[in-house]
Amino acid sequence: EAGVAQSPRYKIIEKRQSVAFWCNPISGHATLYWYQQILGQGPKLLIQFQNNGVVDDSQLPKDRFSAERLKGVDSTLKIQPAKLEDSAVYLCASPRGVDAGELFFGEGSRLTVL
Amino acid sequence: AQSVAQPEDQVNVAEGNPLTVKCTYSVSGNPYLFWYVQYPNRGLQFLLKYITGDNLVKGSYGFEAEFNKSQTSFHLKKPSALVSDSALYFCAVRDDDMRFGAGTRLTVKP
Repeated sequence: EAGVAQSPRYKIIEKRQSVAFWCNPISGHATLYWYQQILGQGPKLLIQFQNNGVVDDSQLPKDRFSAERLKGVDSTLKIQPAKLEDSAVYLCASPRGVDAGELFFGEGSRLTVL
Repeated sequence: AQSVAQPEDQVNVAEGNPLTVKCTYSVSGNPYLFWYVQYPNRGLQFLLKYITGDNLVKGSYGFEAEFNKSQTSFHLKKPSALVSDSALYFCAVRDDDMRFGAGTRLTVKP
């Protein structure tokens, strides 16, 4: 089966600019997660989708971050305006199976904010 | 809310020796526990999980983990380390969502 696809792999922007990341999860999977992984730390959940609805966005900095999953398939995570502390790898994940528990992760999108 | 702790930032072992990467957890209900590995510039790869059943769980690449309910631990182990095992290892617990530890960098020296 195809894995989780993410793009771009790398992005460098200046602070106060905007950026968008794209994720295509495992085909047919209703649940999708976005994680932020700052260098030297474990991944931190930003938002969880079930189909095109948000299940949990309690840790998403909503003043600058937004995410959508309009048709319940692809998802986009946007940051506007970016801050230096947003430099991180943004990981997208979806569950391997209905009750399997574990998540399949994409390769991630590495953001550097200068 | 659920959480995991990885008390060691770094673990160094010699190739061929056994390795242990420690993890303790906190969860209100039954724990769903996971180990992931991350190689440089790559996403996280699933190694193994404990949902229920035997306390010793076997996973990918010869790794195994022991679930200990009384000590609320889920340590990752391998009987004989390889240089290629050098990577970042993350313990995770799943309740409402998946929460990760801070990670342990494993270095296996030849």
